[in-house]
Amino acid sequence: DGGITQSPKYLFRKEGQNVTLSCEQNLNHDAMYWYRQDPGQGLRLIYYSQIVNDFQKGDIAEGYSVSREKKESFPLTVTSAQKNPTAFYLCASSISTGRGYGYTFGSGTRLTVV
Amino acid sequence: KNQVEQSPQSLIILEGKNCTLQCNYTVSPFSNLRWYKQDTGRGPVSLTIMTFSENTKSNGRYTATLDADTKQSSLHITASQLSDSASYICVVRRDLYSGGGADGLTFGKGTHLIIQP
Repeated sequence: DGGITQSPKYLFRKEGQNVTLSCEQNLNHDAMYWYRQDPGQGLRLIYYSQIVNDFQKGDIAEGYSVSREKKESFPLTVTSAQKNPTAFYLCASSISTGRGYGYTFGSGTRLTVV
Repeated sequence: KNQVEQSPQSLIILEGKNCTLQCNYTVSPFSNLRWYKQDTGRGPVSLTIMTFSENTKSNGRYTATLDADTKQSSLHITASQLSDSASYICVVRRDLYSGGGADGLTFGKGTHLIIQP
């Protein structure tokens, strides 16, 4: 079955550590996105990629980094520079960034700082 | 400023009853409006996508309406089931061909719906 897979489902990070969240899709979608979801707030865009080897900052990119070396994969690294990383992280993909295309979301990774 | 406001913030109804969720937006220029269902601890799942010319769109027991003149949308759920308990998120996309960056989406905070037996 085609879909988008995020791992791990739960992740714990110590202060000062970098952690990487995995996102893999087998939908043959060109565009991929990372969002952050906090309680009582709408989703906020961290980074997005329209095509392999290209990505752009979203609204809250500070403290995060991404790569897009393969069409299927778009990992997100939460660096120690992100001061409030505890949140639910969602990866999504779409055929392209064209206006009419819907998004397919992964099941999310819940990151907690301990 | 582009904003999406949803109401009510939360809603509790009995199984089998109908309900309507509201979404008001100020996003401009408008491209399309999306409704998503998000179960607790899961990713959102698309229910409908509506463009400027569409007034009503159905997906099973879910019916979305759009009034682009008043910038309002509603999601009506008929004969609710326990599995409808979730957060419902309204998302509006601005027309990126008119300028602006990123993905053009503005997310509402969602309506948390609880269906009681």
